[in-house]
Amino acid sequence: DVKVTQSSRYLVKRTGEKVFLECVQDMDHENMFWYRQDPGLGLRLIYFSYDVKMKEKGDIPEGYSVSREKKERFSLILESASTNQTSMYLCASRATNTGELFFGEGSRLTVL
Amino acid sequence: EDQVTQSPEALRLQEGESSSLNCSYTVSGLRGLFWYRQDPGKGPEFLFTLYSAGEEKEKERLKATLTKKESFLHITAPKPEDSATYLCAVASMDSSYKLIFGSGTRLLVRP
Repeated sequence: DVKVTQSSRYLVKRTGEKVFLECVQDMDHENMFWYRQDPGLGLRLIYFSYDVKMKEKGDIPEGYSVSREKKERFSLILESASTNQTSMYLCASRATNTGELFFGEGSRLTVL
Repeated sequence: EDQVTQSPEALRLQEGESSSLNCSYTVSGLRGLFWYRQDPGKGPEFLFTLYSAGEEKEKERLKATLTKKESFLHITAPKPEDSATYLCAVASMDSSYKLIFGSGTRLLVRP
């Protein structure tokens, strides 16, 4: 079974703090994604990476950056957290042949 | 513009009462349609992929079907443990990396 592991399930940070969310997948997938999920807005794509050191902006990249130094690991970075970044963050990796996304358990971030 | 619409937003069923969830889509060439189940506070769990009109997939009490404009997730004799939000997503030929998600249907099955 595909396993996507997110480093933190719950985080509480203060406005202006730098936040790292890490994600690791164990299936050698090339493509990895970061989404945020908010009530009434559904899943929105922040960034994705189609290979090591490659990244592309999704629909809502403002205020975020990403890092993909190794194939199995994809990190989301909030350089200076703001209250409107309070959300559930979901990492996913994509099966190359079938296109299915496999999600992690999610990281619920609260910015005070 | 590629779009996915799910209905109803919420559905309450009695245990054993079969029903269907709808996912209507507009894409410039369908690469694949995906169904996910999401429990509160957790990430979406993959259920099915459908690639072409007429295709059907089944898993326990769930059956997914696909036409050229919509997909249905049929739930037969549901149980309380089937309560969850069900998400539909499509991948278009134009953008194979990106999935477009619907807003989901919240299903509650009462004993």
